[in-house]
Amino acid sequence: GENVEQHPSTLSVQEGDSAVIKCTYSDSASNYFPWYKQELGKGPQLIIDIRSNVGEKKDQRIAVTLNKTAKHFSLHITETQPEDSAVYFCAASGNNNDMRFGAGTRLTVKP
Amino acid sequence: EPEVTQTPSHQVTQMGQEVILRCVPISNHLYFYWYRQILGQKVEFLVSFYNNEISEKSEIFDDQFSVERPDGSNFTLKIRSTKLEDSAMYFCASTVSTPNEKLFFGSGTQLSVL
Repeated sequence: GENVEQHPSTLSVQEGDSAVIKCTYSDSASNYFPWYKQELGKGPQLIIDIRSNVGEKKDQRIAVTLNKTAKHFSLHITETQPEDSAVYFCAASGNNNDMRFGAGTRLTVKP
Repeated sequence: EPEVTQTPSHQVTQMGQEVILRCVPISNHLYFYWYRQILGQKVEFLVSFYNNEISEKSEIFDDQFSVERPDGSNFTLKIRSTKLEDSAMYFCASTVSTPNEKLFFGSGTQLSVL
């Protein structure tokens, strides 16, 4: 089955700096790559996703890039704010029905 | 925005007891999922459910686990004989119409097995 690796496990940045989180996946059949943000005591919430037919997608301060050949994808957050502090999970799935998650990155944005 | 609701928010049980975790997916969603998250670890896929049957399950979802959609609104996860290692946060999720779409997660049930 699919295996998703995520790095780093923790990331601390100064407010206004950029943050980058990287993931790799193992199954070349995976074609959907979402990113979820989990705040304390809540379930994960989708913040952005990308499909395998595109290489990059942007939504305001958040962008995701995908390299299908290398089987890796990254989340970029620019102009970070304290409210961006949370745990971020990448995930991957194919046409089957079992989305697999990375281990998570705890992002801390220091004011 | 519509929400996935889960009850209870916390469940404490003794080892060997049966527990049922309950979820009400968003009303027009067709695919339903259970995930679990052991404290500080990744969100792990347990099972997906579509058209009143399991469509995929992970290696974690053994014979001790079962899922059911007993009526048109509830989706339940049963653990037949709980073990200490079943202690985790259990999340229910649903999607509108196809697997590779936005998963809407509930806020989870924290299960503690003593």
